[in-house]
Amino acid sequence: EVVLTQSPGTLSLSPGERATLSCRTSQSVSSSYIAWYQQKPGQAPRLLIYGASSRATGIPDRFSGSGSGTDFTLTISRLEPEDFAVYYCQQYGNSPKLTFGGGTKVEIK
Amino acid sequence: QVQLQESGPGLVKPSQTLSLTCTVSGVSITSGGYYWTWIRQLPGKGLEWIGYIYYSGSIHYNPSLRSRVHISIDTSKNHFSLKLSSVTAADTAVYYCARRTSGYYHVDSWGQGTLVTVSS
Repeated sequence: EVVLTQSPGTLSLSPGERATLSCRTSQSVSSSYIAWYQQKPGQAPRLLIYGASSRATGIPDRFSGSGSGTDFTLTISRLEPEDFAVYYCQQYGNSPKLTFGGGTKVEIK
Repeated sequence: QVQLQESGPGLVKPSQTLSLTCTVSGVSITSGGYYWTWIRQLPGKGLEWIGYIYYSGSIHYNPSLRSRVHISIDTSKNHFSLKLSSVTAADTAVYYCARRTSGYYHVDSWGQGTLVTVSS
């Protein structure tokens, strides 16, 4: 089973700042298999990025994804007030088919 | 645009079976191309994939839950269901139904989620 480790656990930033979130996998995975989600309190997760770097429909271009092998990154170029939330990475594998990281909370400093 | 809606009891007694249904609208569940998915989120914790089913009947379960999980499809009602047996307090969670598009490796649509509490 591939384990996803997200860091940091919490990121304290101000609106307008840049956020860099890390997701490391315990084994090398195809970039096609990596996705990122945003979750706000009381809501379901929302797909942001798939295939490591493709933005989902309707996602602003301040969100970008990158990485390969075992290291993947979600970057928010300039934080807007609505971006303060929890972010999860996800990978597709053999068994289990879908696994998620533990999440990074982006909070207002 | 697809919409997914979970329904079922919000309270289940320990050792009993948790049963949830996800009603799909906006697309036929038999149209192909989608894996109909269950994911849960333990209180204050991250996300755990439970399993998914293809309209043809192909099913994949999380090995950690396989012995207790059953997912099925009812094409006449355009919904799919989850049964989790022998529940304990550790199964208390928000349960989401969702959709993964075949050929892609992510979940692109989610229901709003339903909280199921296991308690006597």
